[in-house]
Amino acid sequence: DAKTTQPNSMESNEEEPVHLPCNHSTISGTDYIHWYRQLPSQGPEYVIHGLTSNVNNRMASLAIAEDRKSSTLILHRATLRDAAVYYCILRDNWAGTYKYIFGTGTRLKVLA
Amino acid sequence: NAGVTQTPKFRILKIGQSMTLQCTQDMNHNYMYWYRQDPGMGLKLIYYSVGAGITDKGEVPNGYNVSRSTTEDFPLRLELAAPSQTSVYFCASSFPGQGANIQYFGAGTRLSVL
Repeated sequence: DAKTTQPNSMESNEEEPVHLPCNHSTISGTDYIHWYRQLPSQGPEYVIHGLTSNVNNRMASLAIAEDRKSSTLILHRATLRDAAVYYCILRDNWAGTYKYIFGTGTRLKVLA
Repeated sequence: NAGVTQTPKFRILKIGQSMTLQCTQDMNHNYMYWYRQDPGMGLKLIYYSVGAGITDKGEVPNGYNVSRSTTEDFPLRLELAAPSQTSVYFCASSFPGQGANIQYFGAGTRLSVL
């Protein structure tokens, strides 16, 4: 399974944009990039996913490098409710394996 | 729509006791998963199931058993509980689709083995 590397922690001021990086240099052509987040004392929740093109949804944007070896989750205006651990995960679509390998993620602290 | 429901929310076990963690989903998802999360760590996959009657091991299956007799339910059995099984357990379900396979997680079961 391809691995991802994320910074352990990041800080942001409230109302400012946040860019959460993820490196996945061993990504294969069929791996989808998924992001989940885990709020304190809750289970993870889906944020966004993509394959090659940048993606936007109501929660965030996902920017994928042209060589796909890295990606960035963008929260356009961080709020206190966005304080969470953010996980970048690769999912192998081709092999039909529907398993995620969670790393330790990035703990985002949002300052008021 | 309840989503994924886990019971109990908290449990304390003595070493050597057994218990079953319950997980039910009402979204008619084919795939279900059990993870454990140790303090400060990410989630590790214990077992998963791609449909009723079909289960497979994840990264850390030792000390656990599962069964999947219905689409809705995916119980996790701990036999002979050990302190190393102290963790938070999450159940998830998904409907695999092209690229998506969004997993929906329950609120978790916090287990202490003393």
